[in-house]
Amino acid sequence: GAVVSQHPSRVICKSGTSVKIECRSLDFQATTMFWYRQFPKQSLMLMATSNEGSKATYEQGVEKDKFLINHASLTLSTLTVTSAHPEDSSFYICSARRDSLGNTIYFGEGSWLTVV
Amino acid sequence: GNSVTQMEGPVTLSEEAFLTINCTYTATGYPSLFWYVQYPGEGLQLLLKATKADDKGSNKGFEATYRKETTSFHLEKGSVQVSDSAVYFCALSDLSNTDKLIFGTGTRLQVFP
Repeated sequence: GAVVSQHPSRVICKSGTSVKIECRSLDFQATTMFWYRQFPKQSLMLMATSNEGSKATYEQGVEKDKFLINHASLTLSTLTVTSAHPEDSSFYICSARRDSLGNTIYFGEGSWLTVV
Repeated sequence: GNSVTQMEGPVTLSEEAFLTINCTYTATGYPSLFWYVQYPGEGLQLLLKATKADDKGSNKGFEATYRKETTSFHLEKGSVQVSDSAVYFCALSDLSNTDKLIFGTGTRLQVFP
């Protein structure tokens, strides 16, 4: 079946550095992908909608200069957390909307980011 | 704004026990309601959904009924298995943007033999 893969599944980085998380649709094309974040004991919150070939649409309160999203192909979107701080430590998960067969949305496995 | 509230976990049950995970929502209009499940090491998968009041979604022995009067969408299963151990997320779709899912916090279910 349709699969979305995220990489890395876990990452630890130092404060001030940048870290990139990849979201790939393995066997389908996805013009639109979504990035979510979940802090401990809180809901999964939509951060931004990633559109292939155009700028991402960010939700209110999400800094677009800090969370850079690039969707350069129909199968890959990347989220880069720039100048990471400990408060950015969170669970990040992506989803991809299949461009055919009912536009079903498939989720990745998620990525745990720890900033030390 | 729209929101989803679900019971905190973890929920710990013995195999063959009855499961209920509560979910209530706040929304304008009549959103679609969903339950997603995330097994260890995997992505969220759609478990079931309901698109209008009194609809019952069902899959793999799980059921949930869209209750407008109580704004609830509780997940139930009559007899859980160890393989049901996972995190369960209740969600609704934003009517102004049906791609936008609004999730609850997730409830971890642990089933022991």
